[in-house]
Amino acid sequence: KQEVTQIPAALSVPEGENLVLNCSFTDSAIYNLQWFRQDPGKGLTSLLLIQSSQREQTSGRLNASLDKSSGRSTLYIAASQPGDSATYLCAAYSGAGSYQLTFGKGTKLSVIP
Amino acid sequence: SQTIHQWPATLVQPVGSPLSLECTVEGTSNPNLYWYRQAAGRGLQLLFYSVGIGQISSEVPQNLSASRPQDRQFILSSKKLLLSDSGFYLCAWSVRTREKQYFGPGTRLTVT
Repeated sequence: KQEVTQIPAALSVPEGENLVLNCSFTDSAIYNLQWFRQDPGKGLTSLLLIQSSQREQTSGRLNASLDKSSGRSTLYIAASQPGDSATYLCAAYSGAGSYQLTFGKGTKLSVIP
Repeated sequence: SQTIHQWPATLVQPVGSPLSLECTVEGTSNPNLYWYRQAAGRGLQLLFYSVGIGQISSEVPQNLSASRPQDRQFILSSKKLLLSDSGFYLCAWSVRTREKQYFGPGTRLTVT
């Protein structure tokens, strides 16, 4: 059974700093991994999806990497802004036949002006 | 472009009352549809998923049920709510299985 862990649960950084959010998973036979952003009381916004055959994906100031052998993914945010403050969740689809996207509990990011 | 709607946005219901939450998707055909629950301090839990009209699979035994009466409509129901049913309910869709999922705005349910 896939388990996804995100550490730390909360992170506070000053504006302008580059930062890395971590995600680890137990089953390396993942199909793909998706990063989401959730603002308080809101639904999830999809940020990036990395296929198992890929090593990274980029969108603007965001860069997500995937290392299946170590069971880790990272989300790199460059030049952080107060508007980046939110909870970031990673989720993994396991291997063949699985419909279930397994989520971590998220990292709550606060970017201080 | 595709849009996903959920209603109501907020709901307060007494224990033992029925429940009906609705989710609709616009701008796509034959989507995969999903119901999740997000409880305080816990991760998102997949409750139901559907790959087509009338095709519903349950991931977790509970007193909730789901139906898909139309291609782009997904309904979450209960005959009698429990206190433990409180949470944030999210509907999502994807084009195919194991592809990117897109989430709705959610429904905050409080059972009193």
